[in-house]
Amino acid sequence: QKEVEQNSGPLSVPEGAIASLNCTYSDRGSQSFFWYRQYSGKSPELIMSIYSNGDKEDGRFTAQLNKASQYVSLLIRDSQPSDSATYLCALESGSSNTGKLIFGQGTTLQVKP
Amino acid sequence: DTAVSQTPKYLVTQMGNDKSIKCEQNLGHDTMYWYKQDSKKFLKIMFSYNNKELIINETVPNRFSPKSPDKAHLNLHINSLELGDSAVYFCASTRGYEQYFGPGTRLTVT
Repeated sequence: QKEVEQNSGPLSVPEGAIASLNCTYSDRGSQSFFWYRQYSGKSPELIMSIYSNGDKEDGRFTAQLNKASQYVSLLIRDSQPSDSATYLCALESGSSNTGKLIFGQGTTLQVKP
Repeated sequence: DTAVSQTPKYLVTQMGNDKSIKCEQNLGHDTMYWYKQDSKKFLKIMFSYNNKELIINETVPNRFSPKSPDKAHLNLHINSLELGDSAVYFCASTRGYEQYFGPGTRLTVT
């Protein structure tokens, strides 16, 4: 089992819809979770971090964490074509305190006008 | 102002050569990282330094050697380059939990 699993997609949604991106992980010791957005040919950009169970909202983005189910998700409301990118789920390794991040393989999101 | 910068942006070289990639951050962060992103876009950590001290050294060939002259700089030297080293290399820095990435260096080995 991969440490961080994401559906590689592509996930295609129409403009204005809600995009739902999901991530499961195996390390029960992980406490810190992140979503990065990566445009083609660019570097990963941190868009959300979440550390406790529940929802965290920031503008059109909502991150959801369920540690019991080992599940993290990202909702993007009112999706725009500019949201088209690869979304990387990452967590801090629970077995180290060095800030080591483990990434999923990313989900490609396509928002169609 | 650029937060995390890398040079060069592109690097094309032949097998067997030695090359270096430089990284600098002006965020005042304590910890810096090197990541490799392969052709399938999988991003994997290679090394990390905290205040010039190596704290993460993943299973990476010893042809790769990081060096941190001070906490704002982290360089990556690669000896005897191989075709499989072709990838995008990202530098990142952090204070706390959130990491910020540089623009990347696309290395192509021919």
